[in-house]
This record gives sequence, structure tokens and C-alpha cells, in this order.
Amino acid sequence: DAGVTQSPTHLIKTRGQQVTLRCSPISGHKSVSWYQQVLGQGPQFIFQYYEKEERGRGNFPDRFSARQFPNYSSELNVNALLLGDSALYLCASSPGARQETQYFGPGTRLLVL
Amino acid sequence: AQSVTQLGSHVSVSEGALVLLRCNYSSSVPPYLFWYVQYPNQGLQLLLKYTSAATLVKGINGFEAEFKKSETSFHLTKPSAHMSDAAEYFCAVSPNTGGFKTIFGAGTRLFVKA
Repeated sequence: DAGVTQSPTHLIKTRGQQVTLRCSPISGHKSVSWYQQVLGQGPQFIFQYYEKEERGRGNFPDRFSARQFPNYSSELNVNALLLGDSALYLCASSPGARQETQYFGPGTRLLVL
Repeated sequence: AQSVTQLGSHVSVSEGALVLLRCNYSSSVPPYLFWYVQYPNQGLQLLLKYTSAATLVKGINGFEAEFKKSETSFHLTKPSAHMSDAAEYFCAVSPNTGGFKTIFGAGTRLFVKA
């Protein structure tokens, strides 16, 4: 079975632009979580979605938003990009709502110039 | 509030030596605890997890960790380091009752010398 997939793998944007990152969970998994990993740091929780509803939100500004589709794939949107948004964005899926076991995708590396 | 502290941003061991990566946590509710490994330019791979069953947890690639509630620790060990173990290791905590937020430590970079 395919693991968690994310697209694109790399992205370069300029300040003020908007970006959409995509994630497809493992087949049968209903929960998707998003994390931001700045270089040299651990991943920071952004959102969790389960059954198309937001179940958790980290300490990120409203410029960050996400949604989950009926097929459980998910998009993360970031508006008005700042230089500090440059990071590896990781998506993780899990079978249920609890983050007991998460399976991570390879990430999307975003560079904001 | 939950938090995770990984002691030592860098750890260097010789091939064949014991690996010990330290993790302390704080949590107001019984936690789930995890260790993940990240190789360069890759996502995170789960090494092992503690979910309130046995306090000594065995994971993949010969790693294990022991949950010590009295010390609020969940240190990762491996008896004999291999060159392929060189990577970044992250300890993480999430609540098993209420809340859906997983908190990661800052990571420990493991170097293995030949």
C-alpha cells in the first residue's frame, strides 16, 4: 500500500503570495495532521482534521487554514507568506481521531523569498 | 500543558557503543509517548511508542525505551550503534484523554563514528 503522499515536494514563493499544499493519507486513514518543521527544530503542530472536521489547532496565525475532503485528502493553505514561513511542511495520517500512531509523508519544502 | 525536553542537541558515539538519547516530558494527563527518526530530506518514521501498557517498549532497528513515571522520562537506547543509525531523533508526547495535539522535542542529532 502507498504511504502518505504530499505534493509538491519543493516550492519557492515570494513574500505576500499564497500557497496550497496537498496531502493524501494512507488508504483507510481518516485523520490528517499538519506540522511545520523549521530547519533545526522539531515539528510544530498546525492542525488536525478527522472526518472532515477540525479537531485541533496549534498556535499559528489565521493566515494558516486547512480542509479535509470526502476522500480524506487534505490541503493546507497559507496566505500572505512571510520569510519565516520557510520550512518543511509535514503531513501525517492516522486511522482514527487519536494521534496514537501517525504515519508521516516526506514533506513539502517551502522557501519564501 | 504538555512539553518535551530532549537533553543534548548532538550526541556522538562510536560504532558498536551504547546509544542513549534522553527525553523528559511534562503532561497534566496520562500521555502517549513516541520516538521518531528522521533521515536527511525525509519525513519522520516511528521507532516506538508507549501507550500505557508495558513500561519497556521495544521498537524497530533494535531500539527500546523505558517509561519512568517517577522521573517523567522516556529515554531511548540501543545496545550497539550502527553507522546507519546516524540521523535526527525526536521524542514526542500526546494526551491519551482529550486533545489532539502532538508535541515534539527539538530533536537530537546522533553521529556514529567508525
